[in-house]
Amino acid sequence: EIVLTQSPDTLSLSPGERATLSCRASQTVASNCLAWFQQKPGQAPRLLIYGASNRATDIPDRFSGSASGTDFTLTISRLEPEDFAVYYCQQYSKSPGTFGQGTKVEIK
Amino acid sequence: EVQLVESGGGLVQPGRSLRLSCTTSGFTFGDYAVNWVRQAPGQGLEWVGFIRYKGYGGTTEYAASVEGRFTISRDDSKGIADLQMNSLKTEDTAVYYCGRARNYGHIGLIDYWGQGTLVTVSS
Repeated sequence: EIVLTQSPDTLSLSPGERATLSCRASQTVASNCLAWFQQKPGQAPRLLIYGASNRATDIPDRFSGSASGTDFTLTISRLEPEDFAVYYCQQYSKSPGTFGQGTKVEIK
Repeated sequence: EVQLVESGGGLVQPGRSLRLSCTTSGFTFGDYAVNWVRQAPGQGLEWVGFIRYKGYGGTTEYAASVEGRFTISRDDSKGIADLQMNSLKTEDTAVYYCGRARNYGHIGLIDYWGQGTLVTVSS
């Protein structure tokens, strides 16, 4: 099983600041099959990034993803009020399709 | 518009069974895999299992925590995927989401999610 470890658990930032979220895999994620999801309270997750660096449909370009070996990063260049939420990474290269524990981005 | 709607959740006693349905519309259901993901109250996301589309054999895989108790099936003619849950435990209490999955990677990439249905296992 591929274990995904996200850091930090909580990120306290102000609107307009840059957010950098990390997801580290315990082993190679084949073909960079790594996605990022955003979840707001009471809502289903929403796909942001797939293939480590590809934005999903209708996702603003302030969201970007990158990969370096087993380290994956989600960057939000300038936080908008609607971006404060919990973010999860997930690998879909192997079964089970594991998720990270989540990073909460909260308003400072 | 792509839509997925889960139904069938509710309160059930430990050891009993429950069947969830994921009813879809707005896309060709038979061309996609379906993943089930759950979220215990106040917790993170946990992958439950998936079913491939028929072109890849329509086979299933499950998380170790539900293997042998849960079964995923699909009816492409109706655009519905079901999650049959047997021998339920209190730790199965969660919101259950179904997700449409593009045939990327091994289990598919979830690009659309339903709104979820709450399953509470309690005596």
